[in-house]
Order: sequence, then C-alpha cells, then structure tokens
Amino acid sequence: AQSVTQPDIHITVSEGASLELRCNYSYGATPYLFWYVQSPGQGLQLLLKYFSGDTLVQGIKGFEAEFKRSQSSFNLRKPSVHWSDAAEYFCAVYMEYGNKLVFGAGTILRVKS
Amino acid sequence: GAVVSQHPSWVICKSGTSVKIECRSLDFQATTMFWYRQFPKQSLMLMATSNEGSKATYEQGVEKDKFLINHASLTLSTLTVTSAHPEDSSFYICSARDSGKNTEAFFGQGTRLTVV
Repeated sequence: AQSVTQPDIHITVSEGASLELRCNYSYGATPYLFWYVQSPGQGLQLLLKYFSGDTLVQGIKGFEAEFKRSQSSFNLRKPSVHWSDAAEYFCAVYMEYGNKLVFGAGTILRVKS
Repeated sequence: GAVVSQHPSWVICKSGTSVKIECRSLDFQATTMFWYRQFPKQSLMLMATSNEGSKATYEQGVEKDKFLINHASLTLSTLTVTSAHPEDSSFYICSARDSGKNTEAFFGQGTRLTVV
C-alpha cells in the first residue's frame, strides 16, 4: 500500500543551524511529492513539490528537497533555520489511483535561540 | 498563488445541531476538492473527495450521512456536520485542486469545530 513515513516526530535545532527533515515513501509508480508547512491552528502551505526533472527542487522560504529514487526519499533541507520556521512539516505523495494526497505523520520543528 | 478560503475559521455549536463549513477557490476553478480532519498532534486524515456535479467519494470509516458534502459549483464545496456530538470536535481542512494544474492542491486555513 502507498504510504509516507516521516521518522522524526519532533526535531529541535538552534537558530542558524542547518535542518534536514526526513521523508520516505512507498509508491509503485513515479511519485509526485510535496512538502507542506502548518503553523498552529492554520491550514497547510506548500513549500515545494517534485513532479519530474531535476531531483533537487527549490521551494519558498529558502527550503529545498532532494528526490532520491534509490532510497525512496524526499528529504527537506534548509541551510540556516530561522525562529519563524518553527512549525509542523508534512510530506505527502500524490496517488494517481484514488486521485488523492497521502500525508506523513508530520514532524514538529522547534527552533531554539 | 492560488487561494482557498475556508469559512468559518472556528465555530462552537451545541450537541445535536448541524454545522456547515464552506470551502471556496477564489482565483481558480476546482473540479475536485478534498476534506480532511486533523486530530491534535496528528496528521491529516482524508475524509472524502468532492467532485463538482457528482456525489462525493468517502473514505472507509467515514459516515456519509453524518458528513454531508456538496460541490455544486467549480469554486465551492461545503461540508455539513449533522447532529454534531463532542467527538466530532476537530480541525477540518479543505483543499482544492486547480483543474488546470492536475496534481497540485491548495489548502484552506482550516476550521476549528468545538461541539459542547
């Protein structure tokens, strides 16, 4: 069955430090992959997406993600975290069968000063 | 970017009453909209897929008679929680897929429903 795994429930990083949030997926075909961010009590904002082409994709707010087919991964990275990046991050894969997004469990990012 | 407006942002209702939540795509047409439910500190759970002009497709375990979905136009879908009970209290989020952009979906800001 198609699934998305985010192994880290919580991550704490210092402001200015680099960040990597992990995402692994299980999907038989070429995946369409997304990263979303959610602030408390808010909806989801799309950070970036991968459909095809260059496996390193750039998103908003200085985020990037790299698609690695051999590892079934789509990890999110940022070279220098800001306090305003504290939020919950969701990885998602689009399932053509069923025409829907499947979300990972989410990773809560805390930024310490 | 595409904007999805969800209304209301929060609502408190008495047990046994019904609540309607609206989801509008403001600057694009959406043949497909999705309704999610999110429990505290958990991920989004897809409840149903709403297709304009046809019946919604509900996920397994979601009561279609309790969660009524209407998608009467290309820019509006509504979710009505009927005979609400305290266990229906949750955060409900809609998303809409831009008909011209296939897989990309945009999310509303969510509705916090509290049933007392």
